[in-house]
Amino acid sequence: SQKIEQNSEALNIQEGKTATLTCNYTNYSPAYLQWYRQDPGRGPVFLLLIRENEKEKRKERLKVTFDTTLKQSLFHITASQPADSATYLCVLTGGSYIPTFGRGTSLIVHP
Amino acid sequence: GAVVSQHPSWVICKSGTSVKIECRSLDFQATTMFWYRQFPKQSLMLMATSNEGSKATYEQGVEKDKFLINHASLTLSTLTVTSAHPEDSSFYICSARDGQDLGEQYFGPGTRLTVT
Repeated sequence: SQKIEQNSEALNIQEGKTATLTCNYTNYSPAYLQWYRQDPGRGPVFLLLIRENEKEKRKERLKVTFDTTLKQSLFHITASQPADSATYLCVLTGGSYIPTFGRGTSLIVHP
Repeated sequence: GAVVSQHPSWVICKSGTSVKIECRSLDFQATTMFWYRQFPKQSLMLMATSNEGSKATYEQGVEKDKFLINHASLTLSTLTVTSAHPEDSSFYICSARDGQDLGEQYFGPGTRLTVT
């Protein structure tokens, strides 16, 4: 069955460092992959989308890589700030255009 | 960016009653809307996909007679939880997708339902 794996343990980093979150998937051929941010009690907020034929996407302090051979995406936040603390969700969408969410990884940036 | 609203943001109801949740796309036409539920510290679980003017497609294990979805216009979809029970208490989130873009979804702020 299709599976999306995100590290269930919270990632704790110091302010100013680069945070790297991982998303691995199996039994899936995504057309594209997205990263969303979710704060407690709020709906997810779209961050970045990367298509299957793209290797890397950047937006301000954010960078996403997509390796369809490894079936993995890495999400980087450079110069992290306490305000970046949230849960980050990896979302895959295949040919049916129905999105599938990972469980998310909690990021905690310490001042 | 595009905005999706949900109403109400929270609701408490008694067991056996029905609750309607509205999802609106405010500045774009949403050809597709999704309804999710999320339990604490869990991921979003897709309940159903709703296309304007047609019947919703429910995910396996979701009772269509219990969770009634209506997508009567390109800017409004409703989810009605019928005969609610305490186990239906959850965070319900809708999202909308612009027909021009098959990727990005715009999420509503969510509705916290508590059934007593």
